[in-house]
Amino acid sequence: EPEVTQTPSHQVTQMGQEVILRCVPISNHLYFYWYRQILGQKVEFLVSFYNNEISEKSEIFDDQFSVERPDGSNFTLKIRSTKLEDSAMYFCASSLIWDGEQYFGPGTRLTVT
Amino acid sequence: AQSVAQPEDQVNVAEGNPLTVKCTYSVSGNPYLFWYVQYPNRGLQFLLKYITGDNLVKGSYGFEAEFNKSQTSFHLKKPSALVSDSALYFCAVKGNQFYFGTGTSLTVIP
Repeated sequence: EPEVTQTPSHQVTQMGQEVILRCVPISNHLYFYWYRQILGQKVEFLVSFYNNEISEKSEIFDDQFSVERPDGSNFTLKIRSTKLEDSAMYFCASSLIWDGEQYFGPGTRLTVT
Repeated sequence: AQSVAQPEDQVNVAEGNPLTVKCTYSVSGNPYLFWYVQYPNRGLQFLLKYITGDNLVKGSYGFEAEFNKSQTSFHLKKPSALVSDSALYFCAVKGNQFYFGTGTSLTVIP
């Protein structure tokens, strides 16, 4: 069964550093998403991406965040200058259609020290 | 504004008993409603969705959910709980983005 993969599984970085979180969505899916989940809290939407551009973003997704689909398979989330409060689990997801079920990756745990 | 509420942080049920995990929603227009399950150290897994049609939606692993428009609810149910159902359950509504509830931790007691 196809699945969404994410690398790395755990990323430790120092405050102020840039990080890139990588995702490989399911190959025939058209919609891509990033979410974050701060430990013990709810899953929060960050951004959705379709047709090589951002379709929606939340208030969390400020100028320090960016997304890119550099080739036909990868979908990345870049955080330019990490802050302590960026520490969270980041999930990538993809779906075939706009209102379809989203398939989530296993997540990348980001720890900012 | 779209939102979902899961009023119970924790639900405990004995194995073999029916289980219900509650969700209420607030949305303008027709709601697109989803349930996801999260096992420890894993991503979310899709269980079921309601877009339109029959109010009783059947999903994965024997789960079902009942859409109730008058009560703006979308409760998750299963007739007979298994220990392996113990996990974190999230209700979600899709508007211009996905809004997830705060999650309900389900513990099935052997």
